[in-house]
Amino acid sequence: KAGVTQTPRYLIKTRGQQVTLSCSPISGHRSVSWYQQTPGQGLQFLFEYFSETQRNKGNFPGRFSGRQFSNSRSEMNVSTLELGDSALYLCASSLSADQHGYTFGSGTRLTVV
Amino acid sequence: GQNIDQPTEMTATEGAIVQINCTYQTSGFNGLFWYQQHAGEAPTFLSYNVLDGLEEKGRFSSFLSRSKGYSYLLLKELQMKDSASYLCAVKGGLTGGGNKLTFGTGTQLKVEL
Repeated sequence: KAGVTQTPRYLIKTRGQQVTLSCSPISGHRSVSWYQQTPGQGLQFLFEYFSETQRNKGNFPGRFSGRQFSNSRSEMNVSTLELGDSALYLCASSLSADQHGYTFGSGTRLTVV
Repeated sequence: GQNIDQPTEMTATEGAIVQINCTYQTSGFNGLFWYQQHAGEAPTFLSYNVLDGLEEKGRFSSFLSRSKGYSYLLLKELQMKDSASYLCAVKGGLTGGGNKLTFGTGTQLKVEL
């Protein structure tokens, strides 16, 4: 079966712009989580969606937002981009909110210039 | 809060055994994961421990002691392809359940001839 698909793979944006990243989970998976990965901080939890509802949120400013659609696909949006937002953004899906199996996508590499 | 510590780097010889340690202090505990991540790729699931003891899966084993807040990943018969970053992650105890993993910054393992 197809894995977790994230688009686009690479993105270059200018400071102040906004960006939308997309994640399509494995078919049948209803929980989608987003993580930011940087060399200095490692993987940090952004938020988690289950059945179109945000269940958990990490310690990121309000410029970071997300949503989930009825087909479980998820998007995350970052507004007013800053240089420090340059990172690999990873999406992980699982069957339900409490299943322990997580599958990660290959990520979107965002560079802010 | 959540705090997870693991060594930054380790070097080992092909064919040898290496143990990567992880200590954690978390508010709530619902399991510990180990992931492998090759440069530029998605993290891939290696193991999951929720009860104390050793879980063995081929060349990889993972151990957990909840009372000590300690886990290790043991890799046997090292191969060059095992050169990667190894991520320790704890699933926190959240009111209402849900998926939130807190990751360590990863241990970069280099396997040499």
